[in-house]
Amino acid sequence: KQEVTQIPAALSVPEGENLVLNCSFTDSAIYNLQWFRQDPGKGLTSLLLIQSSQREQTSGRLNASLDKSSGRSTLYIAASQPGDSATYLCAVRRTGNQFYFGTGTSLTVIP
Amino acid sequence: DAGVTQSPTHLIKTRGQQVTLRCSPKSGHDTVSWYQQALGQGPQFIFQYYEEEERQRGNFPDRFSGHQFPNYSSELNVNALLLGDSALYLCASSSDRGSNQPQHFGDGTRLSIL
Repeated sequence: KQEVTQIPAALSVPEGENLVLNCSFTDSAIYNLQWFRQDPGKGLTSLLLIQSSQREQTSGRLNASLDKSSGRSTLYIAASQPGDSATYLCAVRRTGNQFYFGTGTSLTVIP
Repeated sequence: DAGVTQSPTHLIKTRGQQVTLRCSPKSGHDTVSWYQQALGQGPQFIFQYYEEEERQRGNFPDRFSGHQFPNYSSELNVNALLLGDSALYLCASSSDRGSNQPQHFGDGTRLSIL
C-alpha cells in the first residue's frame, strides 16, 4: 500500500519569502505525482503534474521536483503572497487508477 | 468550458438514511473518480468509473456504490449512513487517454450526518 507523507503539517511565513513543501512516498513505482491547492471548504485545484520520467515542472512562481528513486517531491513557491495561503496536497498515482494523497501542508502567508 | 460540477453543495442526513450525490465531469473527460475527505485529512479513494463500469475500488464497504451514465456523469450512493460518513465528498474527472492525464476536481458535497 502506498503511504504519502507531507511535512510540515503547517507552515507560516512572511510575505515575499521563498518556501519549500515536502512530499514523500513509500513505493517508487508510480506513474505520476500531482500537486494540488485546496482553499477552506473548497475542492482541489491542480497546480502541477510531474510524470514519472520527468524531474521537474514549472508554472509561474511554482516549481515541483520529483526524485522517484528516493520517493520524494518538493513544491517550491517563490516570492510568496498572502493569496498563496491554502492547504497544499500531493497525490501519487501507482499502477491502476488510484491516487494516494498526503494529509497536506497548511500554508499561511503573513502580509 | 465548464469544469467538474457537483450537486448538492451541502446535505444533512440522519443515521440509517440513504444519500445520492451527483457529478458532471469536465467537458472531454470520460473517467470519474470519487473521494471522501474527512476533516483535516487527505482525500481517500472510493472508486473510479469508466465506460459505465466500476474500474477500481478503494477500501470502502459495499454501502458505497456508484453509477456512470452514457454522458459520463456519475452518482455516488451511500446506504445506511453512519456518523463516520460525515465528510467532504469530491468528484474528479480525467481523460482515459494515457496514464499521465491530470485529475480535475469539483468543489465537493459537504455531507453531515446527525
